[in-house]
Amino acid sequence: GAVVSQHPSWVICKSGTSVKIECRSLDFQATTMFWYRQFPKQSLMLMATSNEGSKATYEQGVEKDKFLINHASLTLSTLTVTSAHPEDSSFYICSAPAGTSGMNTGELFFGEGSRLTVL
Amino acid sequence: AQSVTQLGSHVSVSEGALVLLRCNYSSSVPPYLFWYVQYPNQGLQLLLKYTTGATLVKGINGFEAEFKKSETSFHLTKPSAHMSDAAEFFCAVNHNHTDKLIFGTGTRLQVFP
Repeated sequence: GAVVSQHPSWVICKSGTSVKIECRSLDFQATTMFWYRQFPKQSLMLMATSNEGSKATYEQGVEKDKFLINHASLTLSTLTVTSAHPEDSSFYICSAPAGTSGMNTGELFFGEGSRLTVL
Repeated sequence: AQSVTQLGSHVSVSEGALVLLRCNYSSSVPPYLFWYVQYPNQGLQLLLKYTTGATLVKGINGFEAEFKKSETSFHLTKPSAHMSDAAEFFCAVNHNHTDKLIFGTGTRLQVFP
């Protein structure tokens, strides 16, 4: 089946630095990717929808200047956490729709997740 | 607006016992419902889904779920638990039939020998 891969799977950084997380679709093209954040013992919270060739769509309450999303190609979306602070420590997960464009099946392929720890 | 509630953040069963993970939903439109599973150190993967048609849906690894509109439920079951079933299970509804998913808080299943 289709695979979505994230890198790095684990990153530790100092407060004030920026961290980039990559999300790649390995054997299919994804015009849309979704970025989720998961807090311990809580649900996945949708942060933003990444759109290839255009600006990302952010969910209410998500700071777009803090969480920069770039969808530069049909197989790569990146999330950059800028000026990271300890409260940004979390598990970040990307996903891509399994259906072809316009199918809106709701079925997603998920990456393995990236755990960010900000010291 | 759609939402999903999973009762019980932790469920523990003995190997061979019935697994029942509860999910209730709220939706203003006919829902598309999903169960995703996250095995340790892996990404989420689709277990099963209901869109239309037969209300009893079978998924991978012997799991199944039944859509009950009258109860607004989509509970996940498996007749006999295996040790390898230990994982985190997420119920989800997709937002107005788009690819956006709204997840429940998850239920961690533990299976004891």
